[in-house]
Amino acid sequence: DAGITQSPRHKVTETGTPVTLRCHQTENHRYMYWYRQDPGHGLRLIHYSYGVKDTDKGEVSDGYSVSRSKTEDFLLTLESATSSQTSVYFCAISESTSLLNYGYTFGSGTRLTVV
Amino acid sequence: GQQVMQIPQYQHVQEGEDFTTYCNSSTTLSNIQWYKQRPGGHPVFLIQLVKSGEVKKQKRLTFQFGEAKKNSSLHITATQTTDVGTYFCAGRNTDKLIFGTGTRLQVFP
Repeated sequence: DAGITQSPRHKVTETGTPVTLRCHQTENHRYMYWYRQDPGHGLRLIHYSYGVKDTDKGEVSDGYSVSRSKTEDFLLTLESATSSQTSVYFCAISESTSLLNYGYTFGSGTRLTVV
Repeated sequence: GQQVMQIPQYQHVQEGEDFTTYCNSSTTLSNIQWYKQRPGGHPVFLIQLVKSGEVKKQKRLTFQFGEAKKNSSLHITATQTTDVGTYFCAGRNTDKLIFGTGTRLQVFP
């Protein structure tokens, strides 16, 4: 969808190396999310952000960290990649507020392979 | 923690047949959303339901939110090959959406 891009689209990395995935939005949405998608598990929330420098953990946050220094960028870092982190990673944005919820707009995803 | 389950996991239908996927939450939801993901693509938002017992339609798709706000369904009438993909429900009870495991729909011409 227009307004949200993820980079890289594909990456192969070695076990034990740090990896950073980037999500960039041009919609000025407050909320940004990182999900991973694995067969049989659907989409699982890793971390999310509700503003610049405001982040919180999701249901599968171990081994991951995030940073949001600007409204438009949300970075996901795998501190020391493991084979269990081989997955497709999706970033999503939302303009939801505490009173109103809207649908998420997802990026095209990053396919990460840890060998 | 909150869990959202979907059934069936897979469904194969002949083009023209109907299709239904069901979503059940372990907790009461403030709202529920539905997404469609085409093979190789990313999830795309379809609709949001907020009110108890709410029913919404989008052409051949009918979405329903249960009276207790713990379950939901998506029904597709007379499926077409363009309906192929995985359908996810996503429930919210705080500030996060929890996605169901999805139902993969295959439509044979």
